[in-house]
Amino acid sequence: EAGVVQSPRYKIIEKKQPVAFWCNPISGHNTLYWYRQNLGQGPELLIRYENEEAVDDSQLPKDRFSAERLKGVDSTLKIQPAELGDSAVYLCASRAGTGFQDEQFFGPGTRLTVL
Amino acid sequence: GQSLEQPSEVTAVEGAIVQINCTYQTSGFYGLSWYQQHDGGAPTFLSYNALDGLEETGRFSSFLSRSDSYGYLLLQELQMKDSASYFCAVRAAGNKLTFGGGTRVLVKP
Repeated sequence: EAGVVQSPRYKIIEKKQPVAFWCNPISGHNTLYWYRQNLGQGPELLIRYENEEAVDDSQLPKDRFSAERLKGVDSTLKIQPAELGDSAVYLCASRAGTGFQDEQFFGPGTRLTVL
Repeated sequence: GQSLEQPSEVTAVEGAIVQINCTYQTSGFYGLSWYQQHDGGAPTFLSYNALDGLEETGRFSSFLSRSDSYGYLLLQELQMKDSASYFCAVRAAGNKLTFGGGTRVLVKP
């Protein structure tokens, strides 16, 4: 079974430029998460989708960040315009069920560097 | 809101035992998860405790005391490949995970 796929793995951009990250969750996983992980810290949730619905986006900086999961499968996270402080690893995770025993499976992440 | 505290770094030798403590303050607590992350890699699930007590999975065990808002991850028979960061995470409503800052474990020969 393929894991969570993310692309690109690395991205370097100049500040004020737009950037987009793509995630394909594990087949059949209805719940999808985007996290941001700063160096030396734990992942922080940005947004959670149940199928195509964003059910928790309270920590998404909506002035510059947007996300979509149009068909309830793959998802895109966008930043426009990027700022220096956005440099981080952006992780996507997915989960199959709704029970609390169901673990989240993480992708390898996209490492963003904003110059 | 949620807050978690865990040590920033632990160093031990191969074959040793390491205990990583995690204390938390939270509302709406459902359980405590542990994840391992190697440098440049994805966090991978290790264990989940919803009830008080010890859960054992091979060389790794996890413990939870809900009354003390405390848990720990026990790594036994340490191997070089166990060098990684370990995160405790509180699981709340909606299977929302709030992660601690991570403990970097360095295993020396």
